Amino acid sequence: DAGVTQSPTHLIKTRGQQVTLRCSPKSGHDTVSWYQQALGQGPQFIFQYYEEEERQRGNFPDRFSGHQFPNYSSELNVNALLLGDSALYLCASSLYRGLNEQFFGPGTRLTVL
Amino acid sequence: GDSVTQMEGPVTLSEEAFLTINCTYTATGYPSLFWYVQYPGEGLQLLLKATKADDKGSNKGFEATYRKETTSFHLEKGSVQVSDSAVYFCALRGYGGATNKLIFGTGTLLAVQP
Repeated sequence: DAGVTQSPTHLIKTRGQQVTLRCSPKSGHDTVSWYQQALGQGPQFIFQYYEEEERQRGNFPDRFSGHQFPNYSSELNVNALLLGDSALYLCASSLYRGLNEQFFGPGTRLTVL
Repeated sequence: GDSVTQMEGPVTLSEEAFLTINCTYTATGYPSLFWYVQYPGEGLQLLLKATKADDKGSNKGFEATYRKETTSFHLEKGSVQVSDSAVYFCALRGYGGATNKLIFGTGTLLAVQP
């Protein structure tokens, strides 16, 4: 079992650009959640996808959008990048029903210059 | 809204010392509580969890007890090792609802010296 995988590992962008991050969930999982972890801080919930729909959203602007594909993998898109978007972006997968554990991927480190 | 507060680090200990990292929470209802660990350059790993009052979660020598009366979930280990050096996050998942969104504390860096 490969666990949760994310790509790319690192990414450098400039202000105003757009970025797409990718996540493949753990085998058997149908739900993907995205978190932003700024340096020295705890992860902050961005949104969660299940059945290809956004089910819940945290306090993030519309510049942050996502998508889930039929194979349960997911993308996080960020438009009009700001310096403050520099962070580690974590993907977590789980089963939607029940109180199930979330398994985290290694993250994508995004640097905005 | 729901929130988690944990002690600031860094916490520096000698090998075989006793560890306590304090965590308190604010939430309505009966949240589930978690401790996650993040090793350098890696993502988060679930260390232990408790889903109801008075439950004790334990794993790899670490323990934490869900205390509803004090809204606390302090992490303890009797004898730390150098390999325990990492950042530890306390987190909660709210009660009910159709999501399992996690709310994290700011993390506590633990450095264990030989």
